[in-house]
Amino acid sequence: TQLLEQSPQFLSIQEGENLTVYCNSSSVFSSLQWYRQEPGEGPVLLVTVVTGGEVKKLKRLTFQFGDARKDSSLHITAAQPGDTGLYLCAGGRYSGAGSYQLTFGKGTKLSVIP
Amino acid sequence: NAGVTQTPKFQVLKTGQSMTLQCAQDMNHNSMYWYRQDPGMGLRLIYYSASEGTTDKGEVPNGYNVSRLNKREFSLRLESAAPSQTSVYFCASSDSRRLRGDTGELFFGEGSRLTVL
Repeated sequence: TQLLEQSPQFLSIQEGENLTVYCNSSSVFSSLQWYRQEPGEGPVLLVTVVTGGEVKKLKRLTFQFGDARKDSSLHITAAQPGDTGLYLCAGGRYSGAGSYQLTFGKGTKLSVIP
Repeated sequence: NAGVTQTPKFQVLKTGQSMTLQCAQDMNHNSMYWYRQDPGMGLRLIYYSASEGTTDKGEVPNGYNVSRLNKREFSLRLESAAPSQTSVYFCASSDSRRLRGDTGELFFGEGSRLTVL
């Protein structure tokens, strides 16, 4: 069972357009992280949100955590070709063993066309 | 500034062969993880090690074994490779402590691309 549903799975847009990627779950998470992955590399953390309703901005990227801590969105304003990549959301909670467990969504593959 | 180092980066195996993927981190992190990434499936946790001396199964552990050799190193072994294990494997580490309330940023290696024929 996929706990985190990301949509859309693929997105191809023109440079300068805005876009929103969604990450939804029926489960509550302690935190929600967003990673970006470029071809041939491992994912790199963009942001972590921990409080219901929290909004964080990273230049042209705006991240929001749902009030109930079950969903999140990533909005990119005026997309640039450098934004191209695979965007992954990951819900986190501590396991009984004390380690922090992340459950990943399937990802949104974004292509920004110059 | 190495971070998380995985070897090998590429490997081709025949069905039934065995191999070990090596992972080392130089950030003094307590927790280490092995994920596999397949098209359309996202990242799935195979095994993890919350701290030196402990290992636990993740979402898809069948066909794999792990060893936390020391705090730095965490290896993944395929005893008898199958075509279904063709994937990109990522090792990751984090330094999350429940009492600190950390939220577990994962630091990933560059991946090991495995093909099983």
